[in-house]
Amino acid sequence: AQTVTQSQPEMSVQEAETVTLSCTYDTSESDYYLFWYKQPPSRQMILVIRQEAYKQQNATENRFSVNFQKAAKSFSLKISDSQLGDAAMYFCAYSGDDKIIFGKGTRLHILP
Amino acid sequence: GAVVSQHPSWVICKSGTSVKIECRSLDFQATTMFWYRQFPKQSLMLMATSNEGSKATYEQGVEKDKFLINHASLTLSTLTVTSAHPEDSSFYICSARLAEYTYEQYFGPGTRLTVT
Repeated sequence: AQTVTQSQPEMSVQEAETVTLSCTYDTSESDYYLFWYKQPPSRQMILVIRQEAYKQQNATENRFSVNFQKAAKSFSLKISDSQLGDAAMYFCAYSGDDKIIFGKGTRLHILP
Repeated sequence: GAVVSQHPSWVICKSGTSVKIECRSLDFQATTMFWYRQFPKQSLMLMATSNEGSKATYEQGVEKDKFLINHASLTLSTLTVTSAHPEDSSFYICSARLAEYTYEQYFGPGTRLTVT
């Protein structure tokens, strides 16, 4: 069965600094998608970034980028120039079919 | 685009009663919708997968007679919590898949259910 592991329950970063959230996953599939979702205090799930496993190039979305290491089954999220609005729960997620499997999440605090 | 709504956003009901939560895809047709449950400070737990016009597929450990799911149209899925008990109090989130053969899901804002 596929699993997603986020080993950092909480992290803090100074405003304007860079932070990296870690995620590892386990699967025997070769074709799948990986996601990072953000859940702010409103609890609305927001897609931050997605990565198709067959693409070697790391996905980027403005200040958000990933480091996708397929062989190592690692999918970390880098947030550059952290802003107060980035404070939220971040979930790493995997999908190899129609279901999404979520990690336990990392709570990110932004220090002013 | 790809907006999913949920109604109500918050509901309080008495133990033993039933409550219905609606999930709508506002600007797209969703052949597949998903229902999740989220306990405080925890991750999302998939409860069931709902396909339009067919019976929902429930995850292991989810009581299908307690959590009735109906996907009557391409834009509406409902979750009915029957004979609710305080332990059913939780945050329920639905999501919809934009199109077949895509893995991306769009999430509703969630419904907070409190059973007294």
